[in-house]
Amino acid sequence: DTEVTQTPKHLVMGMTNKKSLKCEQHMGHRAMYWYKQKAKKPPELMFVYSYEKLSINESVPSRFSPECPNSSLLNLHLHALQPEDSALYLCASSQVGREETQYFGPGTRLLVL
Amino acid sequence: GENVEQHPSTLSVQEGDSAVIKCTYSDSASNYFPWYKQELGKRPQLIIDIRSNVGEKKDQRIAVTLNKTAKHFSLHITETQPEDSAVYFCAAMSGTASKLTFGTGTRLQVTL
Repeated sequence: DTEVTQTPKHLVMGMTNKKSLKCEQHMGHRAMYWYKQKAKKPPELMFVYSYEKLSINESVPSRFSPECPNSSLLNLHLHALQPEDSALYLCASSQVGREETQYFGPGTRLLVL
Repeated sequence: GENVEQHPSTLSVQEGDSAVIKCTYSDSASNYFPWYKQELGKRPQLIIDIRSNVGEKKDQRIAVTLNKTAKHFSLHITETQPEDSAVYFCAAMSGTASKLTFGTGTRLQVTL
């Protein structure tokens, strides 16, 4: 399996809702990432997990809470989001290391009303 | 931190022509430079990458060159086809933070 999968594909939520985004890979990668991509912009790194431990948090607001339950799964818990958080949320995975290729999932398109 | 600049922001070429996209980076410790293609509504997909120990890499119609002294790298697509139309992102992996920083993207349109 050479794919990163993400669910759901689309999500609409109100500002008081709690929801979760899920990401899964079965490539044996031990690094996993969350990116946020606004329209016509590049992906922006949010979080990095290495060996299931959070290694980078790019000063993301606490209404975004990542979780890595095991080496294949990555979640992003959402709570009290703002309309400006509407974006495409991309998950990626790679081997651990500074020259390792990152493979992206198809993303979850999030709309916050 | 790393800063990656990418030019041009849009590029229109006729089918069969070549396309060149250029990127510069700021962190001299950066050592890995991938290029991603993103079609509308799709995921970024790696098309080619280069590591700092080589100056050029080619894969069929796609090539990438790296000049570490000048801190710039370029993507070359030859014999362009309509299916090459997409947004292309360059990126640099910071040597210090193991963090991938993307350029601002180039929208390539290949016309018939």
